[in-house]
Amino acid sequence: DQQVKQNSPSLSVQEGRISILNCDYTNSMFDYFLWYKKYPAEGPTFLISISSIKDKNEDGRFTVFLNKSAKHLSLHIVPSQPGDSAVYFCAALYNFNKFYFGSGTKLNVKP
Amino acid sequence: GAGVSQSPSNKVTEKGKDVELRCDPISGHTALYWYRQSLGQGLEFLIYFQGNSAPDKSGLPSDRFSAERTGGSVSTLTIQRTQQEDSAVYLCASSPGSGVEQFFGPGTRLTVL
Repeated sequence: DQQVKQNSPSLSVQEGRISILNCDYTNSMFDYFLWYKKYPAEGPTFLISISSIKDKNEDGRFTVFLNKSAKHLSLHIVPSQPGDSAVYFCAALYNFNKFYFGSGTKLNVKP
Repeated sequence: GAGVSQSPSNKVTEKGKDVELRCDPISGHTALYWYRQSLGQGLEFLIYFQGNSAPDKSGLPSDRFSAERTGGSVSTLTIQRTQQEDSAVYLCASSPGSGVEQFFGPGTRLTVL
C-alpha cells in the first residue's frame, strides 16, 4: 500500500528551464512533506520541506507547492542546472515520527 | 562535523547466513531510522528509534529482521538466515528529534547470493 507516489520515473529538462517534479499522496493526516535529492552511491540529502498547513515554501531556486484538496505536491526548480541532475524523492511525515517515501524521479538537466 | 556513517559499505553473503549492518548517527541525534531501498524502488521504512527504544517496528519485513540501539547512539540491523530478496541498499538516517529533516548515511549495499 503505497501512500506516497511519484508517477514519473524520469524527467529530462534543458539547462535554464524549469523542472517540475510531482508527487501524490493518499493520507490527509500527514504533518509535513519533504523533498530529498540523491546522487549515485550517496544517501539522500534534504532539500526543502513544507508544513501541511502551508501551500508554498520557497528556498532559492527551489519552491514546493502543496495542494491539499488534490493531495498533490510539486517541486519546482528554476532555473535548472546540470548539477541538479539526480534522483528526487518525495516524502511525507506521519505523526512526526514515520516517513513514507515515493519511488523517486530521476532528473536529467541537459547542458 | 561528522555525518552519519554506515558499515560495511558493501556486503556480499550467501543465502542462509546472518548479517549485521551498523549505523553511527550524528552525535546528539536522538532519532534514528532504518530504510531499505530495493532496485528501482523507493525507500521502505523498516524501524525507528527514539533514544534506545523502538516505538514503531511495523516496517520490519519478517522476524528474521531485528535492530537494536545502545547508548542512544550506534544501531545495528541484523538479518538472520538471509534470503535473495533481502538484497538491497540499507540506509540509516538520524535526526535531532525536533525538526523534520533527516540526515542519511551512504548506505550498505547487501547482496545475497
